[in-house]
Parts: sequence; C-alpha cells; structure tokens
Amino acid sequence: QKEVEQNSGPLSVPEGAIASLNCTYSDRGSQSFFWYRQYSGKSPELIMFIYSNGDKEDGRFTAQLNKASQYVSLLIRDSQPSDSATYLCAVGYGNKLVFGAGTILRVKS
Amino acid sequence: NAGVMQNPRHLVRRRGQEARLRCSPMKGHSHVYWYRQLPEEGLKFMVYLQKENIIDESGMPKERFSAEFPKEGPSILRIQQVVRGDSAAYFCASSHPDRTTPYEQYFGPGTRLTVT
Repeated sequence: QKEVEQNSGPLSVPEGAIASLNCTYSDRGSQSFFWYRQYSGKSPELIMFIYSNGDKEDGRFTAQLNKASQYVSLLIRDSQPSDSATYLCAVGYGNKLVFGAGTILRVKS
Repeated sequence: NAGVMQNPRHLVRRRGQEARLRCSPMKGHSHVYWYRQLPEEGLKFMVYLQKENIIDESGMPKERFSAEFPKEGPSILRIQQVVRGDSAAYFCASSHPDRTTPYEQYFGPGTRLTVT
C-alpha cells in the first residue's frame, strides 16, 4: 500500500512569515512529487513539482526533496491571507498520483 | 478556455438512478484520470484512460462504476444504481502525452454528486 502522510493542521502563520508544509511517503522508489493547493469547495491546483533531490524555487514557493529520508516539503515565503487553503502532497506511482490527506494552512493578517 | 472541462458541476440523483459525469481534457492532452474526494477525505485515484483505452482501473469499485474515453467526445464516468455513499466530488484531470512528465496532472472544476 503506497502511503503519503501529511499533518492535517491547521497550520497558522502570521502574514509575511514563512509557512513550512511537510510530507513523507512510503515507497523508496518514488520519482515524482507534487504540491497542489485546494481552496474550500474548489478543485486542486498544481503549484509545484519536483523530481530531483534538493530545492526547486518558483516565486514565493520552494519545494524541497530528500529521497533518502523520503521527505518532501513546501515553503511559502511572505505568506499572504490568500494562501490560506489546504495543501495536498502527491506522489506519482505508476499511472496515478497518490495524495496525502492535506494540510490546512491559515495565514492571519 | 483551454482548461479541463467537466459537466455537470452539480448533480443530484435519487438512490437507484444512474449518474453520468463528463470530462473534456485540456487542449493537447490525451490522458485522462478520474479521482474521487469523499467529504473530509483525500483524493483517491479511480481510473486512467487514453483515447479508446482503459490503462489502469485499479481504483474503480468492482461494481456499478465504469469509465470510457471514446475516440470522439469527452470521457465519461458512469455510476449505475447510485447509493448515498457515492455522494462525493468527482474530479477529472488530464496530462500531456509526454513520457518525461506523465504525472503533471491538471484538474477540472469537479462534479459534486449528491445522492438523496
């Protein structure tokens, strides 16, 4: 059984702070990792993907991957109230994505 | 609009009726995936299709559920004899047929199915 684990939160951060979201996965052979953002009642929106160990930056977002530790994280710099959402970690297995249950992020102004 | 299209956005069915959910992938995408999100739960993979082929249906319930992606027209997820437990958000995603990025999936707005 392929598993992806996330802390459900909520994670509360003040506006302007760095939000750090974490995810672990069970299959050491996994090669592709994704972060989706989902606002309440809306569909998941792909915000980052990472395939190689290390960091990948895109604007205020940085994805970090450590395959040895089976750990992937998402950092959001200068958090804004509009970043308040559920963040879903997903891992590619074969033909599908396996999602974690998501972490609720609340950015307080 | 070049995004993934789904319809209807909301669907209400009585127990025992059939539900048909439709999905048109993004322009240039030929891979379609269906996921289900039950209330307060995560997204669960159901099925992966390419034109006229079911590639992976390992997440589909054994009975009452079927999916197709014909040569022409949208992909359809069909649920026969719906029960209350089928009430959920059903999302379709699509990806580009590029070997190096098979997992970058883009989601449609979803169909919220309510079974009364």
